[in-house]
Amino acid sequence: AQSVSQHNHHVILSEAASLELGCNYSYGGTVNLFWYVQYPGQHLQLLLKYFSGDPLVKGIKGFEAEFIKSKFSFNLRKPSVQWSDTAEYFCAVNPYNQGGKLIFGQGTELSVKP
Amino acid sequence: EAGVVQSPRYKIIEKKQPVAFWCNPISGHNTLYWYLQNLGQGPELLIRYENEEAVDDSQLPKDRFSAERLKGVDSTLKIQPAELGDSAVYLCASGADSADTQYFGPGTRLTVL
Repeated sequence: AQSVSQHNHHVILSEAASLELGCNYSYGGTVNLFWYVQYPGQHLQLLLKYFSGDPLVKGIKGFEAEFIKSKFSFNLRKPSVQWSDTAEYFCAVNPYNQGGKLIFGQGTELSVKP
Repeated sequence: EAGVVQSPRYKIIEKKQPVAFWCNPISGHNTLYWYLQNLGQGPELLIRYENEEAVDDSQLPKDRFSAERLKGVDSTLKIQPAELGDSAVYLCASGADSADTQYFGPGTRLTVL
């Protein structure tokens, strides 16, 4: 079955620390890839997306993600986190032949200590 | 530009009662999605509409769930009768088309007692 796996359920960092959240998916065909973020009390918002081209994509608020096709991975990174990055982060995959259907990972809760 | 609007934001009902959720997508968006999000999990697709046509409802439990999108704009999702296990957040999302980014609403948090 198609699935998306996020390696960490809860990550706790201090401000200015570097962040990397892992995401792996199980689907052999072409995919579009997304990271969504949900800040406390807010709705899901798109952080960044990869459709094609340069496998290193940059999103809002200094986030970036790298698509490594051979590893079926799409890890999210940020060199220096801020307290305002405290949120839940979801990786999602859209298999190319399934319309707009998004398959989400279970989410990673990030807590940044000031 | 207004985002995706959902109502109610919260709903508490007793089991076996019916419940309905409403979604108004972003103006001009042809594609509409309903997702279910259980506590501690990512959203799971229930149904996808292209205009007024349900093009993917394979994950919708049709014995108790139903949905409609009359005139290809607003949509309602109904549960009848509700069960304890239906307690979750029900999310609506829309996109210009199925290849477009999905924009999510705030969700309806359902509690079934």
